[in-house]
Amino acid sequence: DTEVTQTPKHLVMGMTNKKSLKCEQHMGHRAMYWYKQKAKKPPELMFVYSYEKLSINESVPSRFSPECPNSSLLNLHLHALQPEDSALYLCASSQRENQPQHFGDGTRLSIL
Amino acid sequence: GESVGLHLPTLSVQEGDNSIINCAYSNSASDYFIWYKQESGKGPQFIIDIRSNMDKRQGQRVTVLLNKTVKHLSLQIAATQPGDSAVYFCAETPAGNYGQNFVFGPGTRLSVLP
Repeated sequence: DTEVTQTPKHLVMGMTNKKSLKCEQHMGHRAMYWYKQKAKKPPELMFVYSYEKLSINESVPSRFSPECPNSSLLNLHLHALQPEDSALYLCASSQRENQPQHFGDGTRLSIL
Repeated sequence: GESVGLHLPTLSVQEGDNSIINCAYSNSASDYFIWYKQESGKGPQFIIDIRSNMDKRQGQRVTVLLNKTVKHLSLQIAATQPGDSAVYFCAETPAGNYGQNFVFGPGTRLSVLP
């Protein structure tokens, strides 16, 4: 079982919907990450939070909005997504930035 | 054998044989490297790491070799088992430079034949 929990496991949404992806860890890690992974491709970094502050935004479109309510939780708010945003969204955490990351099993997102 | 092309590179090995998965990196400033294993339907899982002040590190059935001269990293798996079937990613970072995080390689699919 993974120590990083992501919900939901699957999500299907229309282009006008608003939804949120959730991620939780209780390992005391202070860095948390969102990645996007397309089929047969490596994970691509989207956002990094360090000590609950946004540290890195890899030029992600504003239709993706991250939020870190506390040191254990990370959300990704979705609005007006496009079909090409369909992918596996992975959350990860590490003790600090640039240390080995623990990944969740992802949310598989499909945009209709 | 190993194939590279439009599809994810694939390495097929017989059960019990040793596997060698290769990774080339381009950033000469990278000084910390990790190998991850990703099974179908799961997130990447940490296997082993190595810092640039080492050229070899061993774990349980796995060995990572680092050649900084040619910017090459390899993962050796001894006595490959069916449970080793997965996609393997190398990841690199200039560890001392916050603001840059891990960059993942393209990945290699390992298929273990019975």
